Amino acid sequence: SQQGEEDPQALSIQEGENATMNCSYKTSINNLQWYRQNSGRGLVHLILIRSNEREKHSGRLRVTLDTSKKSSSLLITASRAADTASYFCARLGTGTASKLTFGTGTRLQVTL
Amino acid sequence: GAGVSQSPSNKVTEKGKDVELRCDPISGHTALYWYRQRLGQGLEFLIYFQGNSAPDKSGLPSDRFSAERTGESVSTLTIQRTQQEDSAVYLCASSFVRKTEQFFGPGTRLTVL
Repeated sequence: SQQGEEDPQALSIQEGENATMNCSYKTSINNLQWYRQNSGRGLVHLILIRSNEREKHSGRLRVTLDTSKKSSSLLITASRAADTASYFCARLGTGTASKLTFGTGTRLQVTL
Repeated sequence: GAGVSQSPSNKVTEKGKDVELRCDPISGHTALYWYRQRLGQGLEFLIYFQGNSAPDKSGLPSDRFSAERTGESVSTLTIQRTQQEDSAVYLCASSFVRKTEQFFGPGTRLTVL
């Protein structure tokens, strides 16, 4: 079964606007990773944020993590049509856990 | 290789047949993972390998599913007596060590008729 939720499930914005996606989870994490998936196939790794980190940046991407609220957000600034994809957060648990637990994702549509 | 590769990219089979799916991880990555993604869903974990051992098989849905890894490299996921509910994209990932970034292959789309 999958833990946590992502919201919104779908998001439609115009090129140039910012897109924010949220991810909530239920159990403690070692790290949280964000992925992009185009056309239902391969996943591209975007950012990994560790449980002792609060914010990370990569280009137009900004990820925040609030472990007290068990939530994370992904912000894409100045969106482009090429950002159209599904975005997933994946949680890695603590202890001996090695698997990623994925949410159902946010489908982002960026229109011209 | 430059990335994780999987073969075949697509597989259509008849109910009851066995299938083998292959994964070639990034060279030097000690950890390898198999996930399954049904249409419109997130990924479900199947199995994790550290080297050639599988310390976590908790996601395998039934005893029809098995996997092995050899040479701390290539892995094969085998599904016996396939059922229609096995239809999904099967994704393989590898990471340098566990608890680091996982890099995914393009997946194998399995269709069971």
